[in-house]
Amino acid sequence: NAGVTQTPKFRILKIGQSMTLQCTQDMNHNYMYWYRQDPGMGLKLIYYSVGAGITDKGEVPNGYNVSRSTTEDFPLRLELAAPSQTSVYFCASSHQGREQYFGPGTRLTVT
Amino acid sequence: QQQVKQSPQSLIVQKGGISIINCAYENTAFDYFPWYQQFPGKGPALLIAIRPDVSEKKEGRFTISFNKSAKQFSLHIMDSQPGDSATYFCAASTNWAGGYNKLIFGAGTRLAVHP
Repeated sequence: NAGVTQTPKFRILKIGQSMTLQCTQDMNHNYMYWYRQDPGMGLKLIYYSVGAGITDKGEVPNGYNVSRSTTEDFPLRLELAAPSQTSVYFCASSHQGREQYFGPGTRLTVT
Repeated sequence: QQQVKQSPQSLIVQKGGISIINCAYENTAFDYFPWYQQFPGKGPALLIAIRPDVSEKKEGRFTISFNKSAKQFSLHIMDSQPGDSATYFCAASTNWAGGYNKLIFGAGTRLAVHP
C-alpha cells in the first residue's frame, strides 16, 4: 500500500495564480483532512471530509476549496494565491477520525 | 477551550537521557490523546496514543503519562538516541458537533539528542 500520496512535492506560485494540490489514499478511509503547517507552529486544519460528497470547514478555510467525489481523492484548490498561503500542506486520512495517516506534504511558496 | 498547550518549544538531551514533553488541555470532552513524530521533510507519523481511562501507556522506550484531574499528559522517551531527534506533536480529539472526530494539535517540540 502506498498510503497517502500528495502531488506536487514543491511548487512556487505567483500572487493571484491558482492551483490544485492532489491527495490520494489507498486505505479505503472515510475521513480525509487537509492541514497547513507554518514554521514553528502546529498543524492547522483547513478542511475535512467524512466521506465522498461530504466536506466541512476546519479552523483556517479562507482562500481554499475542496471537493470529494471519490473515497480515494481529496484535492485542495487554492484560488487567487496570496503570500499568507506560503506553507507546507499535509493531507491525512483516517478510518474513524482517530488515528490519522499523513502524506509527505507539499511545500508551497507564493511570491 | 479547544487548545492544546505544549511545552517546551525545544529540548536538547544527551544520548541515553530521558526526554520529557508536556501537554495541557482544557476541554474535558477530549477522549483520545495521540503523539506524533515528524522528521524534517516528512509528514507526521503516529507514535503512541492513550485514552483517559488509563494513566500510563508504554511502547518500547516511549511512555505516555496521563493525569486526568490535572488535564495534562506527557511523553517520556527513555534512553534517548540521536535517531529520536525530530519534532513531536501532542494532540487531542473528541466527537465534535455532527459526531465527527477531529484532532487539535499542540505547537510542537523540536527535540535534539546529542551523541
